[in-house]
Amino acid sequence: GENVEQHPSTLSVQEGDSAVIKCTYSDSASNYFPWYKQELGKRPQLIIDIRSNVGEKKDQRIAVTLNKTAKHFSLHITETQPEDSAVYFCAASYTGTASKLTFGTGTRLQVTL
Amino acid sequence: GAVVSQHPSWVICKSGTSVKIECRSLDFQATTMFWYRQFPKQSLMLMATSNEGSKATYEQGVEKDKFLINHASLTLSTLTVTSAHPEDSSFYICSARDPAGGVVNEQFFGPGTRLTVL
Repeated sequence: GENVEQHPSTLSVQEGDSAVIKCTYSDSASNYFPWYKQELGKRPQLIIDIRSNVGEKKDQRIAVTLNKTAKHFSLHITETQPEDSAVYFCAASYTGTASKLTFGTGTRLQVTL
Repeated sequence: GAVVSQHPSWVICKSGTSVKIECRSLDFQATTMFWYRQFPKQSLMLMATSNEGSKATYEQGVEKDKFLINHASLTLSTLTVTSAHPEDSSFYICSARDPAGGVVNEQFFGPGTRLTVL
């Protein structure tokens, strides 16, 4: 089955700096890669996703890049703000009847003033 | 659109009792729902895939007789934790796919249920 690795496990940045979180996946059939933000005790919130036919996608301060050959994808947050502090999860899935999501281990992002 | 609810939001029960958690898609019909478990400071681990009108598909290592899943309608899936023990204490989250939605793989998550077994 799919295996998703995520690094780093914790990340501390100063407000205004950029944050990068990286994930690798094992199943070349995976073609959908969402990123979620989860605050303590809350549901995961989709912040951006990318499909395998696209190399990069951007939404305001958030961008995701995908390298299918290397099987890795990254989340980039620019101009970080204190409200960006949360746990971020990457995930991988493939189009199919099940479309199961396999999650990475999570990155705890702390944006300090 | 694409709202998923869960009930209850939290529950405390005694060891040995059973607890039922409901997951509802409020504004769409979901032929497939997913149940996850999340322990503190850990990732979401898929427990099972719930299919409307058929048996659930359980992930390896998840006891199907302990975690009973029923998906009797296109808007409701239930997870029953039978004979709960303290090690079952966790955050249980469901999700659903909207087959009529624009993104085939996208899952919409419920708010989660915090289960504490004493």
